[in-house]
Amino acid sequence: GDSVTQMEGPVTLSEEAFLTINCTYTATGYPSLFWYVQYPGEGLQLLLKATKADDKGSNKGFEATYRKETTSFHLEKGSVQVSDSAVYFCALSAQGGKLIFGQGTELSVKP
Amino acid sequence: DAGVIQSPRHEVTEMGQEVTLRCKPISGHNSLFWYRQTMMRGLELLIYFNNNVPIDDSGMPEDRFSAKMPNASFSTLKIQPSEPRDSAVYFCASSSPTGRGNNEQFFGPGTRLTVL
Repeated sequence: GDSVTQMEGPVTLSEEAFLTINCTYTATGYPSLFWYVQYPGEGLQLLLKATKADDKGSNKGFEATYRKETTSFHLEKGSVQVSDSAVYFCALSAQGGKLIFGQGTELSVKP
Repeated sequence: DAGVIQSPRHEVTEMGQEVTLRCKPISGHNSLFWYRQTMMRGLELLIYFNNNVPIDDSGMPEDRFSAKMPNASFSTLKIQPSEPRDSAVYFCASSSPTGRGNNEQFFGPGTRLTVL
């Protein structure tokens, strides 16, 4: 069945460092791909998405490119801030309107 | 837009008591999802509805859990009787599928349940 695998956390970075969080997926067909972010004490909120191969989603300095050949959707940011500390979830769209989520990657950014 | 509304935000109860969690989806959304989040198991989909009809409840852990959606603007998740291992944050999310797999979900703030 469809699945999403994310790199293990927690990831700890210094402010202004480069961020990559790896995400790979297994799916039948051509799903849409999403990154959600969860700040402490809050629900998940959509960070960015891509609906077809080679699409790049971007928001708040974060980017991810839909790579069909490598079944990946890695999240990147050139310079992280303390305020980016959160848990990041990769997800894909599945039949019936469901989303299949990865296990989440906790990011901690130190000043 | 008010977003997805959940109540209560926090619930503390004793083992054996009935717990009812409530959710109001975003107006116009026709899909509603209940999730549970714990440190040990991460984010789990419990059940989801399309047009008020339960589509997949395979994630409901056991018969103590039940969910209803009597109309398009309200859903409940009930645990009866509750047990300490049910302690978690429960999220409700809604979506309005707009096309090929573009099913962005909007999450509520969650209900933090503690069963003593």
